[in-house]
Amino acid sequence: NAGVTQTPKFQVLKTGQSMTLQCAQDMNHEYMSWYRQDPGMGLRLIHYSVGAGITDQGEVPNGYNVSRSTTEDFPLRLLSAAPSQTSVYFCASSYGGAPGVAGNTIYFGEGSWLTVV
Amino acid sequence: TQLLEQSPQFLSIQEGENLTVYCNSSSVFSSLQWYRQEPGEGPVLLVTVVTGGEVKKLKRLTFQFGDARKDSSLHITAAQPGDTGLYLCAGGGSGGSNYKLTFGKGTLLTVNP
Repeated sequence: NAGVTQTPKFQVLKTGQSMTLQCAQDMNHEYMSWYRQDPGMGLRLIHYSVGAGITDQGEVPNGYNVSRSTTEDFPLRLLSAAPSQTSVYFCASSYGGAPGVAGNTIYFGEGSWLTVV
Repeated sequence: TQLLEQSPQFLSIQEGENLTVYCNSSSVFSSLQWYRQEPGEGPVLLVTVVTGGEVKKLKRLTFQFGDARKDSSLHITAAQPGDTGLYLCAGGGSGGSNYKLTFGKGTLLTVNP
């Protein structure tokens, strides 16, 4: 059971370049989400999805796009990278929908370290 | 925006000592979660509390949700070096949605042998 798998682990981008962070889970979870973690800021929600074809914005969605064509995959796209997007990105998933509900365990991937120069 | 304030930000103690980490907000949350994160890894869920006044125990860790569901605490008894890590609290029900978790900035705990 691989859990939540993120690729790449590390990436360096130049300002203005585009890229996609991949996230896949093999637990048949309906809910998937992307967070960014910055020093002194904690984790902040970027986008989330409650099922295939359904996505919604989180706290810091600007500069990021997502789509959910399958239950397993939830890629995060940076269309034109900016230095302010230098961060550690975490994908997470949970069964049964809302991660804030008791009994719904949310699982995080190991993170993707992105540097924009 | 609902905020969760964690204190202390840093904590360095000796093995065997007890400690308490606090998570406070001016807002009401429908649930409160605690995570531990180790370097280079993602956060791992420790517990979810949903009822005001609720107390949950996980071995040497005791979690409490405030009566008004605005604050929570994590108490570790007889800390061990393996407890070292970043402890995060997260509130569910942000903006009326349990799909959005609001995280605190974390408490970095170091337990020295």
